[in-house]
Amino acid sequence: GAGVSQTPSNKVTEKGKYVELRCDPISGHTALYWYRQSLGQGPEFLIYFQGTGAADDSGLPNDRFFAVRPEGSVSTLKIQRTERGDSAVYLCASSLLAGDNSPLHFGNGTRLTVT
Amino acid sequence: EDQVTQSPEALRLQEGESSSLNCSYTVSGLRGLFWYRQDPGKGPEFLFTLYSAGEEKEKERLKATLTKKESFLHITAPKPEDSATYLCAVQGSGSARQLTFGSGTQLTVLP
Repeated sequence: GAGVSQTPSNKVTEKGKYVELRCDPISGHTALYWYRQSLGQGPEFLIYFQGTGAADDSGLPNDRFFAVRPEGSVSTLKIQRTERGDSAVYLCASSLLAGDNSPLHFGNGTRLTVT
Repeated sequence: EDQVTQSPEALRLQEGESSSLNCSYTVSGLRGLFWYRQDPGKGPEFLFTLYSAGEEKEKERLKATLTKKESFLHITAPKPEDSATYLCAVQGSGSARQLTFGSGTQLTVLP
């Protein structure tokens, strides 16, 4: 079946610009997560949605980062006034149930490069 | 704060040469320990979940074990296609649905 889909796969932007990264989770998965992975590091948690609401956004580094999931399916991660330090791979994951420890299924990520 | 340390950072094996990867962790109330495999340019691919000390899970040439302080991923008679980065992550009782990942072990299996 179809996995988690992320678009675009690559995004190059200039410092100070606004970007949107999209995630299509596995159909029927109620929980959706965003992680960020820098080179040579493991993924770092950003935000978790249960349905349409952000259940935990404690990993967002600052108020330039915002994410939405208006209909409980597709999610968009929005980054304002991008900085070179935002360059990383942004991973989206989904899981069947929220509130338990069912495994996360990851997409292949969006590689963001801020020049 | 949950912490995960993986060792070694990199490991090169000859095909058929068995070895183990280590994941040491500190967590407040372990809800689950997860192993993932990540190929270059791809997202992490789920392998195993372990819930309590003494538990073991197997899949093909891989076996994961868990103690109260660490987990091991044993690779028996590896093949070149087992080459990847292996990530360990923990979910603690105080962190809702957050996973805390280690930095991974980059495994290379030479033919």
